[in-house]
Amino acid sequence: GAGVSQSPSNKVTEKGKDVELRCDPISGHTALYWYRQSLGQGLEFLIYFQGNSAPDKSGLPSDRFSAERTGGSVSTLTIQRTQQEDSAVYLCASSLKALSEKLFFGSGTQLSVL
Amino acid sequence: QKEVEQNSGPLSVPEGAIASLNCTYSDRVSQSFFWYRQYSGKSPELIMSIYSNGDKEDGRFTAQLNKASQYVSLLIRDSQPSDSATYLCAVNTMNRDDKIIFGKGTRLHILP
Repeated sequence: GAGVSQSPSNKVTEKGKDVELRCDPISGHTALYWYRQSLGQGLEFLIYFQGNSAPDKSGLPSDRFSAERTGGSVSTLTIQRTQQEDSAVYLCASSLKALSEKLFFGSGTQLSVL
Repeated sequence: QKEVEQNSGPLSVPEGAIASLNCTYSDRVSQSFFWYRQYSGKSPELIMSIYSNGDKEDGRFTAQLNKASQYVSLLIRDSQPSDSATYLCAVNTMNRDDKIIFGKGTRLHILP
């Protein structure tokens, strides 16, 4: 596709349920980031994938959060046993290579935990 | 100390004036610096990148970098109502691993 695609665009779930958020980066982009943005706040770093290297998971807020990237392309962010404080917009971004390149953002997934 | 700090604003600037947005960062070895603009309900989009000390101009936008002071700024000349948005400063940080970290953003409001 032409841009970074995220699905679903909106997700409403009940507290305690598991959710999976998907990100399809731009073809050929080796770097992929997940960020979280709460209402009126900045982007909170969650996890970073670069090529075949081990991901940088230092931003994941708890062990309920995990992410994987299959075949260096599609990434899935999983939140287990969701809590109300997990409600936020989850943004995925990709770039052609690390660091010095422009990040292209998807439209995000608005997660609401009731 | 937060890794990337910005004044959250809102910063109100009359139309046609210069808007000045500031950012400080904590990692002395950072090499890449970015300004992203985010309209309400939309995703961030890159407007400027800067890698060396000094000024970089692109149209009405000028990015300024001072690595000794660990300070990055964005100037918007001839501010327009369409410039009203949140401006996010982003920096690569070598803390643990090399990655892009964002500040909380400054809300800019251009007064018509």
